[in-house]
Amino acid sequence: DAKTTQPTSMDCAEGRAANLPCNHSTISGNEYVYWYRQIHSQGPQYIIHGLKNNETNEMASLIITEDRKSSTLILPHATLRDTAVYYCIVVGTGTASKLTFGTGTRLQVTL
Amino acid sequence: NAGVTQTPKFRVLKTGQSMTLLCAQDMNHEYMYWYRQDPGMGLRLIHYSVGEGTTAKGEVPDGYNVSRLKKQNFLLGLESAAPSQTSVYFCASTQGGGGFTEAFFGQGTRLTVV
Repeated sequence: DAKTTQPTSMDCAEGRAANLPCNHSTISGNEYVYWYRQIHSQGPQYIIHGLKNNETNEMASLIITEDRKSSTLILPHATLRDTAVYYCIVVGTGTASKLTFGTGTRLQVTL
Repeated sequence: NAGVTQTPKFRVLKTGQSMTLLCAQDMNHEYMYWYRQDPGMGLRLIHYSVGEGTTAKGEVPDGYNVSRLKKQNFLLGLESAAPSQTSVYFCASTQGGGGFTEAFFGQGTRLTVV
């Protein structure tokens, strides 16, 4: 599975959009980009995933570049409750695929 | 529908003691995973399973054993606990395979080895 690179930390003002980047330059054609977040010491929570096209759900939007080497998670109107560590991971669909996490981006939403 | 349940939630062990952590899921998921998370760190994969009766090593498997005798349960064993195994342990499950979907996580087991 491809490795990912994310900034260690980011700040965002409440009510503004939070844009979290992820680099996955070694991604292969059958690998999906997944985003999870971990609030305090809870178990990680799924946010969104995509293969090629941009995706949107009730929580966030995922923008994947045309060459698929990077992506951006967008929280359109960040709130204090969105303060968490955000993990970008790349996962294939084969039986050998492992769900491995990096160190993620610590997003701090402030008033 | 409980999702993923981990037992116990907290435990203190003495060095050299053994214990088993239980992960149970009620979603009929094929894949299950065990992670550890040390303070200020990301999750590191210990072992995983792609189906009943199968197990595979992750990034940090040493000192741990696992078993998946039933599809819904994934057990993590520590045969001789060491202080370095003090951590928070998370279990997760996914549908896996060609229909890979979101992973569901348990709430964690906080283990302290003294």
